[in-house]
Amino acid sequence: RKEVEQDPGPFNVPEGATVAFNCTYSNSASQSFFWYRQDCRKEPKLLMSVYSSGNEDGRFTAQLNRASQYISLLIRDSKLSDSATYLCVVNPLGDMRFGAGTRLTVKP
Amino acid sequence: SAVISQKPSRDICQRGTSLTIQCQVDSQVTMMFWYRQQPGQSLTLIATANQGSEATYESGFVIDKFPISRPNLTFSTLTVSNMSPEDSSIYLCSVVQNTEAFFGQGTRLTVV
Repeated sequence: RKEVEQDPGPFNVPEGATVAFNCTYSNSASQSFFWYRQDCRKEPKLLMSVYSSGNEDGRFTAQLNRASQYISLLIRDSKLSDSATYLCVVNPLGDMRFGAGTRLTVKP
Repeated sequence: SAVISQKPSRDICQRGTSLTIQCQVDSQVTMMFWYRQQPGQSLTLIATANQGSEATYESGFVIDKFPISRPNLTFSTLTVSNMSPEDSSIYLCSVVQNTEAFFGQGTRLTVV
């Protein structure tokens, strides 16, 4: 079993749509969780951290379910500029473990 | 935030040769991480570089193939040795500050 698993997609959605990505992780001792965004031919950059109580940043909402070892990212009112690959990242022992990424394309 | 300068940004190399990738960080960090990202794939950790000690390699990666130097707290190099076409990939260095990972711009390596 992979340490971090994501649905690779691709997700093709129209502008304005709501889209959700899911991620599961295998190491129950993991303490830190993140969503990163990677644009084509660019390095990954932090989108948002994921907190136990869930957190929201504008159109983006992240949720964590420790019991199920499950993380989600919800994007509301999708914009063309949201097109990218979204990486689920887990930090079990001080180093980052990356999911394979979910590719999102938002179309006009 | 940390700013990382990575070079070269890309290279095309002959099989059997070696390439050394450099990363310079604008602040002192204890650990630096080296990743590989193959086309359409996510990041795979190669090794963790610690200043003053040997790097720690992940399963499937060995020092003879990917020697790492870490001469001080702001600099590290990764060498891809005796290259084959299977080594064609993007290589990224990374540091973690306040739980956030920062990356170099990546080195796009093509082995022919």
